[in-house]
Amino acid sequence: AQSVSQHNHHVILSEAASLELGCNYSYGGTVNLFWYVQYPGQHLQLLLKYFSGDPLVKGIKGFEAEFIKSKFSFNLRKPSVQWSDTAEYFCASLLSGTYKYIFGTGTRLKVLA
Amino acid sequence: GAVVSQHPSWVICKSGTSVKIECRSLDFQATTMFWYRQFPKQSLMLMATSNEGSKATYEQGVEKDKFLINHASLTLSTLTVTSAHPEDSSFYICSARPYGGITGELFFGEGSRLTVL
Repeated sequence: AQSVSQHNHHVILSEAASLELGCNYSYGGTVNLFWYVQYPGQHLQLLLKYFSGDPLVKGIKGFEAEFIKSKFSFNLRKPSVQWSDTAEYFCASLLSGTYKYIFGTGTRLKVLA
Repeated sequence: GAVVSQHPSWVICKSGTSVKIECRSLDFQATTMFWYRQFPKQSLMLMATSNEGSKATYEQGVEKDKFLINHASLTLSTLTVTSAHPEDSSFYICSARPYGGITGELFFGEGSRLTVL
């Protein structure tokens, strides 16, 4: 069965530090991958998505993610985090042939001012 | 961007009562809405897929008689937790796929936290 795993459950960084959150997926076929963010008290928002083409995807708020097929990974990166990036981040994949999402367990990021 | 609204955001009820949660797409039509459940420190688990004008499709292990889903219009889906028990306490999130949407992007509601006493 398809699955998505996020290995970092909690991450604490200081402002201006670089961020990389891991995401691995299990499906060997065509994948559609997403990163969503949930700020405290708010709903999930799309950061970026990958469907095909350039494996380096640019998203909103300075985030990017790289699709590495050989590693089954889609890690999220940001060169310099801000206090306002404190949130929970979810990696997700579309279940092949459907519009159903499979979510990772999420990573809680806390950025210290 | 597209907005999905859930109501209520918080609900506390007594064991044995039923609770209805609404999910509305405010500025777009949604042929398909999804209901998720999120336990503390866990991921979002898909409960069911709701298609306008037809019966919902439930994921394995989800009791369709316990979690009644109605998608009566292109902008509204409801989840009714019937005869709620403390183990039904959770965070319920809906998402909607815009009519004609081709990218697979979903738009999420704010979530509804249910506490059953």
